[in-house]
Amino acid sequence: EPEVTQTPSHQVTQMGQEVILRCVPISNHLYFYWYRQILGQKVEFLVSFYNNEISEKSEIFDDQFSVERPDGSNFTLKIRSTKLEDSAMYFCASSVWNDNEKLFFGSGTQLSVL
Amino acid sequence: GESVGLHLPTLSVQEGDNSIINCAYSNSASDYFIWYKQESGKGPQFIIDIRSNMDKRQGQRVTVLLNKTVKHLSLQIAATQPGDSAVYFCADFPAGRRALTFGSGTRLQVQP
Repeated sequence: EPEVTQTPSHQVTQMGQEVILRCVPISNHLYFYWYRQILGQKVEFLVSFYNNEISEKSEIFDDQFSVERPDGSNFTLKIRSTKLEDSAMYFCASSVWNDNEKLFFGSGTQLSVL
Repeated sequence: GESVGLHLPTLSVQEGDNSIINCAYSNSASDYFIWYKQESGKGPQFIIDIRSNMDKRQGQRVTVLLNKTVKHLSLQIAATQPGDSAVYFCADFPAGRRALTFGSGTRLQVQP
């Protein structure tokens, strides 16, 4: 069964450093998403992406965050200057369509900012 | 504010019993709802979905009930097994948004 894959599974970084989280969405999907989950809390929406541009973003997704689809398979989330509060599990997701369709999630990247 | 929320943070059941996990939503314009299961250290896994033109949908050992009058959603798991132990989230697409929004989650603990 096709799945969303994310790398790395764990990322440790120093505060102020840049990190790039990588995702390979399911191949025939058109919409891509990043969510995050702080330990013990609910899954929070960050951004959705379609046709090489951001469709929607939350208030969490400030200027320190950016997304990119650098080629036909990868979808990345960059945090330019990490803060302690960026420590969380980051999930990538994809869906065939965006209009009320289920999202398929990857296993996540655990980001720890020290 | 969030569109969906959960009544109970933890539900403990005996193996073989039926489980019912509840969810309230606030946006009457929401027309699509999803239940996800999240096991420790893993991403949310799709369980079942329902659209607002339905009030019940069944899957394998799972049933989702939608009561639009009181804006309530429930997930029923029949013959609960140890492998069902996880956190369960309801989620919806609030009207006018393209972002699937999650509730706070209920932890289901299955006692052997």
